[in-house]
Amino acid sequence: DIQMTQSPSSLSASIGDRITITCRASQDISNYLAWVQQKPGKAPRSLIYAVSSLQSEVPQKFSGSGSGTHFALTITNLQPEDFATYYCQQYKTYPPTFGQGTKVEI
Amino acid sequence: QVQLVQSGAAVRKPGASVKVSCKASGYTFTSYYMHWVRQAPGEGLEWVGLVNPYDGNTSYAQKLQGRVSMTRDTSTKTVYMELSRLTTDDTAVYYCAKDIHSSGCFQRWGQGTLVTVSS
Repeated sequence: DIQMTQSPSSLSASIGDRITITCRASQDISNYLAWVQQKPGKAPRSLIYAVSSLQSEVPQKFSGSGSGTHFALTITNLQPEDFATYYCQQYKTYPPTFGQGTKVEI
Repeated sequence: QVQLVQSGAAVRKPGASVKVSCKASGYTFTSYYMHWVRQAPGEGLEWVGLVNPYDGNTSYAQKLQGRVSMTRDTSTKTVYMELSRLTTDDTAVYYCAKDIHSSGCFQRWGQGTLVTVSS
């Protein structure tokens, strides 16, 4: 299985900040990379697919970049609703696998 | 709009089975894979398997092979996940998730179903 490693595991930020979360794959996954947001006690919400394509109704404050084995999720102008845990996920090969998550806290 | 509505929470004893449902609406049911992903308390996300609603073909996580079964009912646009020989390690929230097509990339998620395995 392809291993996905995120950094940092957690980060503290303030309202209005710009943050970046990184994700590394254990092998080349081309552009088969997605990002998922999860708030406490809630179902996950898909944000980005194919590295940088936004899912419907996802605001442009979220952006993704990278290719191959190194990827990043950037969130600008952090708002209270953005404080959550973010997971990267590869879908180059089955089984789909997730990173361990990055918790973004105030 | 796409909606996935799952069945309610379940409590089972070790060794028992559980069957969770996920009713889809707002799109062509047979055109998109449906996955199941689980999350143990305080843990990350783990892929369980998928069913192709078009023909019923399935693919399961290797660690659950032999214990998990996924089916679909096209008349009611519902998919089912059954897990047998439950252990306490199966305690988790189980989510159904609609694929963007057939890629393994998730587009929309159900609200989740908590399955608790306890003696």
